[in-house]
Amino acid sequence: QQPVQSPQAVILREGEDAVINCSSSKALYSVHWYRQKHGEAPVFLMILLKGGEQKGHEKISASFNEKKQQSSLYLTASQLSYSGTYFCGTGSGGSNYKLTFGKGTLLTVNP
Amino acid sequence: DTAVSQTPKYLVTQMGNDKSIKCEQNLGHDTMYWYKQDSKKFLKIMFSYNNKELIINETVPNRFSPKSPDKAHLNLHINSLELGDSAVYFCASSQASGGAYNEQFFGPGTRLTVL
Repeated sequence: QQPVQSPQAVILREGEDAVINCSSSKALYSVHWYRQKHGEAPVFLMILLKGGEQKGHEKISASFNEKKQQSSLYLTASQLSYSGTYFCGTGSGGSNYKLTFGKGTLLTVNP
Repeated sequence: DTAVSQTPKYLVTQMGNDKSIKCEQNLGHDTMYWYKQDSKKFLKIMFSYNNKELIINETVPNRFSPKSPDKAHLNLHINSLELGDSAVYFCASSQASGGAYNEQFFGPGTRLTVL
């Protein structure tokens, strides 16, 4: 079942903050976050495995709610290099190997 | 040193032709994947192999046939190409315990255009 990402797109000025959400109707094994720049491969940002978990990666952090049905990616003091499409990928019942990706959120950071 | 490599990077071909895409990883991972990313950027898993064994086979036309000669290589052969096969195909790999629990490393992608 494909997770739902929101918003579909967001435009920021450098230094502004953004939140990208990823939700599912059922509990998840895991949530992955990837960023893909135009014409490039998706690049791993972080993975969350436990309900209530929060993780940080420089000015990019993420949380996984207690019920393990929603994750949010937080980008603070955005930089031009943050521009790209952000995907959440979710692992859920039945397979340890399969990630199902959301439709992506296009983030544009302008000077 | 490239972790996951794919060849070719671009592939332009006529409808009805047969083509192959090759993927190699030097990360020592046991699990490899093929994803298809369409024009709307939707990234969808097609196949996964763990240690040369097929473990995920999504609803993909049987014109697509993956082959894993060893755990470092996963190739994708496509028969009788159709216009709708045009997309970017990504190969990826992850550690043995599964792609749902571990980072997936993606190759640079192969842009397939069917005319």
